[in-house]
Amino acid sequence: DVKVTQSSRYLVKRTGEKVFLECVQDMDHENMFWYRQDPGLGLRLIYFSYDVKMKEKGDIPEGYSVSREKKERFSLILESASTNQTSMYLCASSFSGQAYGYTFGSGTRLTVV
Amino acid sequence: QKEVEQNSGPLSVPEGAIASLNCTYSDRGSQSFFWYRQYSGKSPELIMFIYSNGDKEDGRFTAQLNKASQYVSLLIRDSQPSDSATYLCAVRPIQGAQKLVFGQGTRLTINP
Repeated sequence: DVKVTQSSRYLVKRTGEKVFLECVQDMDHENMFWYRQDPGLGLRLIYFSYDVKMKEKGDIPEGYSVSREKKERFSLILESASTNQTSMYLCASSFSGQAYGYTFGSGTRLTVV
Repeated sequence: QKEVEQNSGPLSVPEGAIASLNCTYSDRGSQSFFWYRQYSGKSPELIMFIYSNGDKEDGRFTAQLNKASQYVSLLIRDSQPSDSATYLCAVRPIQGAQKLVFGQGTRLTINP
């Protein structure tokens, strides 16, 4: 069964902490994505990567950075967590090509206090 | 204008009826279209993909695409309470684009 695995289901962090969210896929997908999902705002793209060591900003990159050192792993970093980063974070991956949609991980619900 | 628009709902449908979910998109060059189902507290899962005009059927689900009118719809026949979820429409805007553009989703409730 193909999988996108996010390291934590629930996470509570303090304001100002550096936070790492990890995502690993076992499908040999080229593309990986980080979204956040908030009520009434839908899915918002933070960053994505289409190859190892490549990254592109999405719609809301401020306050976040990413790392992709290996094809299967895409990390989201909150440099200094703030309360407005409390959200559900979703990782997704896909093959390149017209016919391919995303496979999502199960999500990490992050609370910053 | 939003790139991908959906009625947020809630859409309430009696059990056994046909649920019809609609989505419009602004980029006329869009190539492929996806429907995701998201249960409360869960992540989205892909249920349908379509890229040619017309209908595509998969079990109780039918996706319909009309590129001239720039809309895509999802029909769910014989609706079941387990179909109650939020349905997200996603569009790949141009050939070669790797990221999808998502609508806000339509919340569907099937009433027993």
